[in-house]
This record gives sequence, C-alpha cells and structure tokens, in this order.
Amino acid sequence: QVLLVESGGGVVQPGRSLRLSCAASGYTFSNFAMHWVRQAPGKGLDWVAVISYDGSYKYYADSVKGRFTISRDNSKNILYLHMNSLRGEDTAVYYCAHGPSFDPWGQGTLVTVSS
Amino acid sequence: SSELTQDPAVSVALGQTVRITCQGDSLRGYYGGWYQQKPGQAPILIIYDKTNRPSGIPDRFSGSSSGNTASLTITGAQAEDEADYYCNSRDNSNNRHVFGTGTKVTVL
Repeated sequence: QVLLVESGGGVVQPGRSLRLSCAASGYTFSNFAMHWVRQAPGKGLDWVAVISYDGSYKYYADSVKGRFTISRDNSKNILYLHMNSLRGEDTAVYYCAHGPSFDPWGQGTLVTVSS
Repeated sequence: SSELTQDPAVSVALGQTVRITCQGDSLRGYYGGWYQQKPGQAPILIIYDKTNRPSGIPDRFSGSSSGNTASLTITGAQAEDEADYYCNSRDNSNNRHVFGTGTKVTVL
C-alpha cells in the first residue's frame, strides 16, 4: 500500500532555510500529484503547495509563495519542500499527502522556527 | 473567496446522527473531500468525490453536496468517531487548494 514518510524537520532560527523530504513507496510515485500541508500547534490544516506528477506544474499558498519551493525526484520517489526565509508563523507539523485526494498522508515532521 | 467555513464544534449522543457542513464558493466548482483527524495522528480521507468512501471507512459516514455547501453525516455515531473533521476544495481560478476551518465532534 502507499506509504509516505517525512523527514527533515527540526528547530531553525528565523530567516534561515530548511529542506523537508517525503519518501514514497508502495506505488508508482511518478504517476501522481503530491501535496504539502501544514498544521500549526492547536490549529487547523493549512494547504501549502502541490506539484504535478511530472513536476511541470506547481502551485503555492499565498503565505509561502516566493519563499517555499516544492520539487520532486521521480527517480528516487522523493518529494521535497525547500523552505527559505522562515518565520515564526511557519512553525507547524508538515505533512506530505498523495494527490489528488490527499490519500494517504505521511506521519508528519515538526518544524519549529525560533531564536 | 476560496475560504471554507465550518462550525467549530458539534456534539452528538452515542448512536445518534450528526451532520457537519462546509460552506464556500469554491465548492460550486470543485469538491475535494472530508478528512478525519484524531489527536496526535495524521488526517485520513473518509469521503471523496462528494459521496464515495475509501475502503475500510464505515458506511455510517456519508457525504453530500449542493451549491456552495458540502455536508458530512455520521449516522449512528460511535465513541471512536470523536475527532476533528475537515472539508477540502480547490479554487479553479488559481489551482490552490483550501481546507475548511475544522469541526470538533464530541460523542456524548
């Protein structure tokens, strides 16, 4: 079955960068779009970005556009989220999810932006 | 606007029926689905394409949609249904997805 495992989270200072990874297995990764979704502590789900199956289309939430970049390596079955100029409000658990129906989700990786 | 509005919280007696609604303009053009999230866990898809349930989701969960409103109904609520529920849609004008504000369901 589809399995998604995120990694790369941690504590980072404001203004710094971080790269998240999502390793996919159990299906043909290169056939499907993928999403990143985040959830701040005690808050709701916040869609971040989507990438098409071949990486040719990418769309972002206004809150991260110009700072975050979604990418994928279909030869390695890995989805990435490059996060630059991090802010306190980016603190959240970041999930990857298999598109187009966000099914399933990974277990999430926590990013804490703090000095 | 691509916002999706849900009631913050609802309660239901064990074995009774509860309906959760989600309102937003984007629902007129695209219906993503409903997701259940229990504390400390990742969300799971429970309804897609308005009325369909993935395998393994109990048939007490059902979905419907009309105009700018989507609904999730739990018929015969069980204690394990206590969770947060989120709807999802996409703004077809810019291909950006959006989640609802979330509804916390308490089973009494």
